[in-house]
Amino acid sequence: AQKVTQAQTEISVVEKEDVTLDCVYETRDTTYYLFWYKQPPSGELVFLIRRNSFDEQNEISGRYSWNFQKSTSSFNFTITASQVVDSAVYFCALGTLGQFYFGTGTSLTVIP
Amino acid sequence: DAGVIQSPRHEVTEMGQEVTLRCKPISGHDYLFWYRQTMMRGLELLIYFNNNVPIDDSGMPEDRFSAKMPNASFSTLKIQPSEPRDSAVYFCASSPGSLSLPNTGELFFGEGSRLTVL
Repeated sequence: AQKVTQAQTEISVVEKEDVTLDCVYETRDTTYYLFWYKQPPSGELVFLIRRNSFDEQNEISGRYSWNFQKSTSSFNFTITASQVVDSAVYFCALGTLGQFYFGTGTSLTVIP
Repeated sequence: DAGVIQSPRHEVTEMGQEVTLRCKPISGHDYLFWYRQTMMRGLELLIYFNNNVPIDDSGMPEDRFSAKMPNASFSTLKIQPSEPRDSAVYFCASSPGSLSLPNTGELFFGEGSRLTVL
């Protein structure tokens, strides 16, 4: 079965703190993709990153970084020095065998 | 470049009325998806198309829902008759696909159509 679990429903941090959003996935496929999307209060879904199952190299983009570990089936997302504009719901997703599977999202609130 | 364009952004209607949501995907994208988002069920895939052909409509909740893609630049999602439980945000997304897994290129979402059925 394909599944994405985001155990953290809501997180609150104070501005400038680092925060890690957890994502655990389940699949028996050997070829798959993992994604993170951001949904700010305005409602649109913004693509952040896509990684394939053969590339476990961690990625950094500005204050954002992603840690992909196949051994633990996790694809965690860290925001360094959080800002108020980071407040949003973040979705992790798995793409495989012609389907996308979204987690239930983690609502992040960054307090000024 | 224009992203995925959805209309209307907001729709309020009465139970029993027909609702038509529209989507223009990004030019050149081979895949088009319709999702529904509610607080209770999160993001649900309703249907997706590849090259204008419906591939998987197993997520379409009932016969009241139908989707069409008459050409590469336009798709509609129709609900007839609408019911209050259809109230949700409906997202259209398009994707260029990928070579290794044909329809798992990144999804580019529209801004959504917020439907309220009274």
